Amino acid sequence: GDSVTQMEGPVTLSEEAFLTINCTYTATGYPSLFWYVQYPGEGLQLLLKATKADDKGSNKGFEATYRKETTSFHLEKGSVQVSDSAVYFCALRGIQGAQKLVFGQGTRLTINP
Amino acid sequence: DGGITQSPKYLFRKEGQNVTLSCEQNLNHDAMYWYRQDPGQGLRLIYYSQIVNDFQKGDIAEGYSVSREKKESFPLTVTSAQKNPTAFYLCATRSPGGNNEQFFGPGTRLTVL
Repeated sequence: GDSVTQMEGPVTLSEEAFLTINCTYTATGYPSLFWYVQYPGEGLQLLLKATKADDKGSNKGFEATYRKETTSFHLEKGSVQVSDSAVYFCALRGIQGAQKLVFGQGTRLTINP
Repeated sequence: DGGITQSPKYLFRKEGQNVTLSCEQNLNHDAMYWYRQDPGQGLRLIYYSQIVNDFQKGDIAEGYSVSREKKESFPLTVTSAQKNPTAFYLCATRSPGGNNEQFFGPGTRLTVL
């Protein structure tokens, strides 16, 4: 079945550092790919998405590119802020059973001032 | 003000008691979902409903039940048969059409004593 594997956390960085959170997936065909963010005590918010190969999703300075050849969707940000501290989830929506999202285990990010 | 409401935010119950978690939405979305989140794990799908009076089991439905009598409401009952009910529960809806995004409520943290 479909699955998502994320870089294990927690990740701790200093403010203004470069961020990469790795995400790879296994799925049939061309799934849609998502990054969600969860701030402490809250639900998930969609951060960005890509629906086809080579698409780049971007939002709030975060970017991720859908790489079919490496089945990856790594999240990047050039200069992180303390307010970026949260848990980040990579997810896919497969072409079969298209209603359901499959999530990675989440990566906790802490940014120190 | 459109959105998803989950109440209460924190819920405590004694072992062996059934408990019902509320999820209400005014987004006019047909599809609704219940996920369970445990520390260090991604979200796992419990049940979903694509339309009123219809619902399907997700990946971890054992020990849970749902109903969908109204479009706006999708309550989840955690029964005494659920062996490890303490978790963070998230309700979500899905927008119709090609966009197909899922929107999440703020969650309910259930603690069984």
